[in-house]
Amino acid sequence: QVHLQESGPGLVKPSETLSLTCSVSGGSINSYYWAWIRQPPGKGLEWIAYISDTGYTRKNPSLKSRLAISVDTSKKQFSLTLSSVTAADTAVYYCARQNYRDPLFFFDSWGQGTLVTVSS
Amino acid sequence: DIQMTQSPSSLSTSVGDRVTITCRASQSISTYLNWYQHKPGKAPNLLIYAASSLESGVPSRFSGSGSGTDFTLTISSLQPEDVAIYYCQQSFSTFSFGGGTKVEIK
Repeated sequence: QVHLQESGPGLVKPSETLSLTCSVSGGSINSYYWAWIRQPPGKGLEWIAYISDTGYTRKNPSLKSRLAISVDTSKKQFSLTLSSVTAADTAVYYCARQNYRDPLFFFDSWGQGTLVTVSS
Repeated sequence: DIQMTQSPSSLSTSVGDRVTITCRASQSISTYLNWYQHKPGKAPNLLIYAASSLESGVPSRFSGSGSGTDFTLTISSLQPEDVAIYYCQQSFSTFSFGGGTKVEIK
């Protein structure tokens, strides 16, 4: 059973950069896509981006200009950086495995999530 | 962008009751629809993929149906451990989620 664990600072100042890493254990990072999803307090889930094991990425257009995502298969980790954060970026951030069974993708393993608060 | 609308936003019912949650897409998404269960403080859990396929290990009291724009998640006999928030999610055009349905025991 694959296990995902998010890590990173829980508090980021406005205008600074949010950085998170997801560590994958109990399974291979290869041959899958890996995603970031967030949930602001009291709101619904929002897909942020995904990356393949070979580095192919796709990003939510609403965040694309501030977003970078990378993967390190040797460490079995993938990472997210979001620049110029504001209070609107305060959320629980989840990493997830994006699996494919013809004809669609779904998120079949998730981390427990990490709360990131943007505040001075 | 495809908008996903769930109803109701919350419900409270008795153990053993049948629970039905609906999800509507702003445009046709065929059967590119998944359902998740999310308990507080835990990782979300995939229940149903492709509108009606039960994920391995998920109890058979959960079922999904629908295609096009209208979808349903049914719990045939609500159990105490089913208290959670349920989300639909479309995979037709990138990804988007419904607003969630909170299920409680009366």
